[in-house]
Amino acid sequence: AQSVTQLGSHVSVSEGALVLLRCNYSSSVPPYLFWYVQYPNQGLQLLLKYTTGATLVKGINGFEAEFKKSETSFHLTKPSAHMSDAAEYFCAVSDNTGFQKLVFGTGTRLLVSP
Amino acid sequence: KAGVTQTPRYLIKTRGQQVTLSCSPISGHRSVSWYQQTPGQGLQFLFEYFSETQRNKGNFPGRFSGRQFSNSRSEMNVSTLELGDSALYLCASSLEVGAKNIQYFGAGTRLSVL
Repeated sequence: AQSVTQLGSHVSVSEGALVLLRCNYSSSVPPYLFWYVQYPNQGLQLLLKYTTGATLVKGINGFEAEFKKSETSFHLTKPSAHMSDAAEYFCAVSDNTGFQKLVFGTGTRLLVSP
Repeated sequence: KAGVTQTPRYLIKTRGQQVTLSCSPISGHRSVSWYQQTPGQGLQFLFEYFSETQRNKGNFPGRFSGRQFSNSRSEMNVSTLELGDSALYLCASSLEVGAKNIQYFGAGTRLSVL
């Protein structure tokens, strides 16, 4: 069964600082990996996804993530944080058995201070 | 193109009642999935529908049910409501089935059970 671990329920950064949100996955088959963002009182918005191919994936709003099979990791980064990045971020994994089911991590709340 | 629409946005019910939530997918999308989001359990998969057929189901009691109509709209029903059913219920649609397809989420229905 697939699972996702997100280290740190809260991450605080200053505006302009590097953002690093950690995600480790467990999967018995090659995984498909996703990062979603959730703003207050809203649903989930896809930031980026990894299915196959290039291991460095670029997403929206300047975010990117690197798939590292040897470390079973898919950490999310952004070189320079903006106030508007404050939100909750979820890493998710799905297997390639044909079903849509996403297994989510517990989420990391990103706080950005001026 | 309109996004995923969930109605109503907010609901207040009492224990023992039943509730029906509605989801209209993005035009042309044929797959609909439902998730429950709570502070304690996080985001959990409920079910997945495609072409009016339930393809996959999460680990929830039989009080939780769903269906999909020929126009791909979906409903989920919770009978005999319990306090623990209070949650944000999210619907997601995708163009096709398959684990690597992007799921687009609605804003959710927030259910409060008193």
